[in-house]
Amino acid sequence: GQQLNQSPQSMFIQEGEDVSMNCTSSSIFNTWLWYKQDPGEGPVLLIALYKAGELTSNGRLTAQFGITRKDSFLNISASIPSDVGIYFCAGPHNNNDMRFGAGTRLTVKP
Amino acid sequence: DTGVSQDPRHKITKRGQNVTFRCDPISEHNRLYWYRQTLGQGPEFLTYFQNEAQLEKSRLLSDRFSAERPKGSFSTLEIQRTEQGDSAMYLCASSLVGDIQYFGAGTRLSVL
Repeated sequence: GQQLNQSPQSMFIQEGEDVSMNCTSSSIFNTWLWYKQDPGEGPVLLIALYKAGELTSNGRLTAQFGITRKDSFLNISASIPSDVGIYFCAGPHNNNDMRFGAGTRLTVKP
Repeated sequence: DTGVSQDPRHKITKRGQNVTFRCDPISEHNRLYWYRQTLGQGPEFLTYFQNEAQLEKSRLLSDRFSAERPKGSFSTLEIQRTEQGDSAMYLCASSLVGDIQYFGAGTRLSVL
């Protein structure tokens, strides 16, 4: 089935630094989604991408839908302590359920 | 809009007991999904409903698991004869058909 591979698995950065993480798939996706999950909470949608090549921003977050439709990246600029959490990429499977990567765990040191 | 609501937030049970979780979706959403998430992993799809109809079930949904959405609004997920391997976060999400899924805060199950 479709598998989403996220890298890196974890990142430890200093407050104020920029962050980049990516997600690759073994097959094509028509939509890419990026979610953030805080401890003990459900995933919260950050950015949705609908077209190959699309670059979308949401505040300090920027995400791109790869041209091959098999990858996406998420950048966070000028990180702050509340950026701490796990970031998941996801894509719809058969237009029904969502497939998720294993996540990138971000730690921001003040 | 109160978002997706799940109850309880935490459940501790002994092996062999039955447990039931409830999910209240966003009110106008006709689709409701259940996922399971274990430590260090992303959510894994279990099943989904469109209105009252359960349209798809994952292979992860063993015979001990049953989900209902009797009136097309809230849903329940029951696990019978719980096992330690059932310990996980159970997440509910809702959406309109073909639209983005919004997640609840989850129910964390611990089976002792």
